Amino acid sequence: SQTIHQWPATLVQPVGSPLSLECTVEGTSNPNLYWYRQAAGRGLQLLFYSVGIGQISSEVPQNLSASRPQDRQFILSSKKLLLSDSGFYLCAWSVGGTGSPLHFGNGTRLTVT
Amino acid sequence: GQNIDQPTEMTATEGAIVQINCTYQTSGFNGLFWYQQHAGEAPTFLSYNVLDGLEEKGRFSSFLSRSKGYSYLLLKELQMKDSASYLCAVPNNNDMRFGAGTRLTVKP
Repeated sequence: SQTIHQWPATLVQPVGSPLSLECTVEGTSNPNLYWYRQAAGRGLQLLFYSVGIGQISSEVPQNLSASRPQDRQFILSSKKLLLSDSGFYLCAWSVGGTGSPLHFGNGTRLTVT
Repeated sequence: GQNIDQPTEMTATEGAIVQINCTYQTSGFNGLFWYQQHAGEAPTFLSYNVLDGLEEKGRFSSFLSRSKGYSYLLLKELQMKDSASYLCAVPNNNDMRFGAGTRLTVKP
């Protein structure tokens, strides 16, 4: 069966510090991979998605970037965090076409102080 | 573009039935999803509708009308554990767009 691992679960970082969140998927090949952010009490905002290694689509221009160095690995990064980067970051995967549901990791709660 | 609207909050009583509505506007329709998200947790998949009509899955049912751009999630025999946010989502090419979610509170 497929599983998704996302870490860390919680993170407190000062403004201006770098960020690296990692997500890996097991049990499937060539998944679509996604990074979403959810601000407190708000909906899910799509940040990046990837349909294959090295293929990244960015939805929101900001100080975040994403990379997919391996088929089942998706990394979210920042060189300098802003206060507004605080939120609940969720990695997700899907396989198949548009009728396939997303399966989410447990999320990372990031607080920028 | 896509626009997805849901009520922000709803309250219902344990054992009752509640209907959570979702309206959407999309340039191309590829179905509609419902997810459940408990506070502090990740969303989990509930249902998928691509054809008009009602899909029943235990206590939960989901309805779709493509001509009206409308869907609802029906929860029967409410339990306290059903207190959560319910997210409506539509696919857009290779990604998924979510509504802001409806926070349901079930009271005893």
